[in-house]
Amino acid sequence: KNQVEQSPQSLIILEGKNCTLQCNYTVSPFSNLRWYKQDTGRGPVSLTIMTFSENTKSNGRYTATLDADTKQSSLHITASQLSDSASYICVVSASNSGYALNFGKGTSLLVTP
Amino acid sequence: DAGVIQSPRHEVTEMGQEVTLRCKPISGHDYLFWYRQTMMRGLELLIYFNNNVPIDDSGMPEDRFSAKMPNASFSTLKIQPSEPRDSAVYFCASSLGWGGDEQYFGPGTRLTVT
Repeated sequence: KNQVEQSPQSLIILEGKNCTLQCNYTVSPFSNLRWYKQDTGRGPVSLTIMTFSENTKSNGRYTATLDADTKQSSLHITASQLSDSASYICVVSASNSGYALNFGKGTSLLVTP
Repeated sequence: DAGVIQSPRHEVTEMGQEVTLRCKPISGHDYLFWYRQTMMRGLELLIYFNNNVPIDDSGMPEDRFSAKMPNASFSTLKIQPSEPRDSAVYFCASSLGWGGDEQYFGPGTRLTVT
């Protein structure tokens, strides 16, 4: 069964600190992996999309890594800001017929002053 | 472009009533997606369309749910009759293509069924 597990479920960090969120998946055959940021009361916004051949992709202070062999991805946030407080969702696509999306339940991040 | 537009933003209805959620995708996007998000289950894909044609509705929970896309600029998600367990935030998203293309989400409709 295709599954996406995210950890930790929630995280509190001080402003200016770095943090890393984890995403482990069992989706096969793998197509791509996306990280979304969802602010409270808003729709998700795409941060990165990574295919099988990509190991690292950055978007400003956000850097996503992908290890397709171990089926793990991480999202690293550098020099966190209060505006980084949000839910971060990992979504893995399978490349079988259709557009099969598998969603993690997200990591809730709170950045405090 | 104004992005994906959804209406209403909030809907409160009584059990048994019909509910219609509306979505206007970004102009030129060929794919439209309907999602549901709850605390328990997270984000779930309900159905998606390609060029106004429903491609995969395997995520639609039951026959009480139906979705249509009569033209490239409008889609509806209907629940009839509604039940309290349908309470959730419903998102519409659109994308140019599929696979590696980015999906743009609307602001969502928060549905409460009492």
